[in-house]
Amino acid sequence: EVQLVESGGGLVQSGGSLRLSCAASGFTFINYAMAWVRQAPGKGLEWVAVISGGSGNIYYADSVKGRFTISRANSKNTMYLQMNSLRAEDTALYYCAKETGYMVRGNYFDYWGQGTLVTVSS
Amino acid sequence: EIVLTQSPGTLSLSPGERVTLSCRASQSVSGTYLAWYQQKPGQAPRLLIYGASSRATGIPDRFSGSGSGTDFTLTISRLEPEDSAVYYCQQYGSSPPHAFGQGTKLEIK
Repeated sequence: EVQLVESGGGLVQSGGSLRLSCAASGFTFINYAMAWVRQAPGKGLEWVAVISGGSGNIYYADSVKGRFTISRANSKNTMYLQMNSLRAEDTALYYCAKETGYMVRGNYFDYWGQGTLVTVSS
Repeated sequence: EIVLTQSPGTLSLSPGERVTLSCRASQSVSGTYLAWYQQKPGQAPRLLIYGASSRATGIPDRFSGSGSGTDFTLTISRLEPEDSAVYYCQQYGSSPPHAFGQGTKLEIK
């Protein structure tokens, strides 16, 4: 059974940093691209960042480019999101999502975690 | 950059009715790389449809998707109370690699 468990969320002041983790199990982690998707309170889904299975391809949404860094440790079946220079508008539930293939393009999300809440106070 | 616009924003229907949700792209979606997700309150999104028209594992055949190019639809026949949710379309074939529509909220009264 595929499981994705996010952690690392919390309350942080504007300008601060947080590191989110996503622990994966139930599938061969290195074979799949992984992504972070966020949802601000009462709002829709926003894709944040995506990383290919071998970390060779990485993309970011314009809203986080230069501030967030996605990475993965395949030996630990874990993906990370380092978030720096946080702003109030980064307040959201952050989901970890598994893609359906190794590469970033041409794949959709077949499994999602339950999310970890990030609150940025101004 | 592809922008997805969903309509209507909200709708309220009765059990047993049929509904069609729309997702329009600002430019052609590469390779019919269009998916639909269902999100119920307090839950993570669930994959319904991929490749514009293929149902995900375990999704009842009441759910169907169609479309190509810039116009896509999700149809739910014979609505049931548990279909109350927000529905999102997503493109995954162009740059940026992913983009979601703003969602359609469906209420079953």
